[in-house]
Formats: sequence, structure tokens, C-alpha cells
Amino acid sequence: NAGVMQNPRHLVRRRGQEARLRCSPMKGHSHVYWYRQLPEEGLKFMVYLQKENIIDESGMPKERFSAEFPKEGPSILRIQQVVRGDSAAYFCASSPSYTTLAYNEQFFGPGTRLTVL
Amino acid sequence: GNSVTQMEGPVTLSEEAFLTINCTYTATGYPSLFWYVQYPGEGLQLLLKATKADDKGSNKGFEATYRKETTSFHLEKGSVQVSDSAVYFCALSDRVQGAQKLVFGQGTRLTINP
Repeated sequence: NAGVMQNPRHLVRRRGQEARLRCSPMKGHSHVYWYRQLPEEGLKFMVYLQKENIIDESGMPKERFSAEFPKEGPSILRIQQVVRGDSAAYFCASSPSYTTLAYNEQFFGPGTRLTVL
Repeated sequence: GNSVTQMEGPVTLSEEAFLTINCTYTATGYPSLFWYVQYPGEGLQLLLKATKADDKGSNKGFEATYRKETTSFHLEKGSVQVSDSAVYFCALSDRVQGAQKLVFGQGTRLTINP
């Protein structure tokens, strides 16, 4: 069973370009989370999605950032008009559908390291 | 809001030394607590977890006990190995409509010398 897949692993963009990051959750998982890790910092929650729905985007910057998780295909995190401060590692995690368990483990992908020149 | 504070790094130890990485949290309700490990160039892997007070999580020789009275979840290992060198993150869950978003500490970089 393949794990969470993210691509590309490394992405270089110039200021003002668009960055598009992809995440394929583990098979059977319908919840996707995006986190951002700035250099030498912990991960910060950005957005939580289920198929075709954004459930919580409280960690997402209000401008230039958007996320989707369509019925078919991977989840996409899109950053428009990138700036140097967007340089970070972006991690995706997935979890199975909600259960009655108190905890629903998140499985992380290897991340996409975005560098903005 | 909920938050996690970790012992600042980097931490450098010799092989077979005893390890403690401190973690304290602030949360409403009763979150689950986790330790994740990140090896160079890789994503995070769940190391251990505890879902209620006084639970002890353990894995690969690492242990942590959920202490509600001190709001702590310190990571310990009795004898570290070079292969334990990594960045360790303490985290808590913040439930949102039936699933959790994780709140992370800033991470502690651990280096074990032979």
C-alpha cells in the first residue's frame, strides 16, 4: 500500500510565478491536511479538506493561497504570485474517514520544498 | 489557542547516553499528544502517542507519559543510538469536525555522536 505521495519534491519559482503542489493521499483515505514548515520551525496547519470540501482553512493566508481536493485526482495547493517568504517545505498528510476512535492517525508525505528566487 | 512548547535544541549526545526532550502544552479539553520524528529530507513519522491522561506511549525504546497535572509529555530514551539523530516534534491534536489538525512544537534537533 503506497504511502502519501507528493510532487514535485523540489520546486523553484521566481517571484510572481505560480506554484502548484500535489498530494495523493493513501489509498482509502478521504481526509487531507496541508502544513507548512518554515526553516528551523515546526509545522503549521494550513488547511483541512475532504473530497470536494474545504473543512477548515483557518491556517491559510487570505490572499494568494488556495487548496482543493477534487472528486478525482490529487489534492492541490496553489500559491499565486509567489514571494520569497513563501519559501518553505509544504507537507501533506492524510487520514482515513472519521471513526469512533479518539484519535485518527495522520500519515505524512515526504513534502515539497519550495524555493522562491 | 492551543500551543506546544518544546525544549530548544540542538541537543548533542554520545551514543548510549540517556535522552530527555521536554514538551509542555496548553490546551482546552483533552487533546491527544504525539511525538513525531523527521529524518533528513523526509516527511514526519509518528513515533508514539497517548490519548488520555496517564497513558504512556512507547516505540523503539522511546517513551512519553501524558501528565495532565503538569501539562507535559516529555520524550525519553534510556540509551540512544547514532541512528536516532533526527528532528523530534511534539504535537497535540485539535479536533475539527471529527478529525484532528495537529499543533506542533518548534522541533528539537538531536545529534548522536559515536
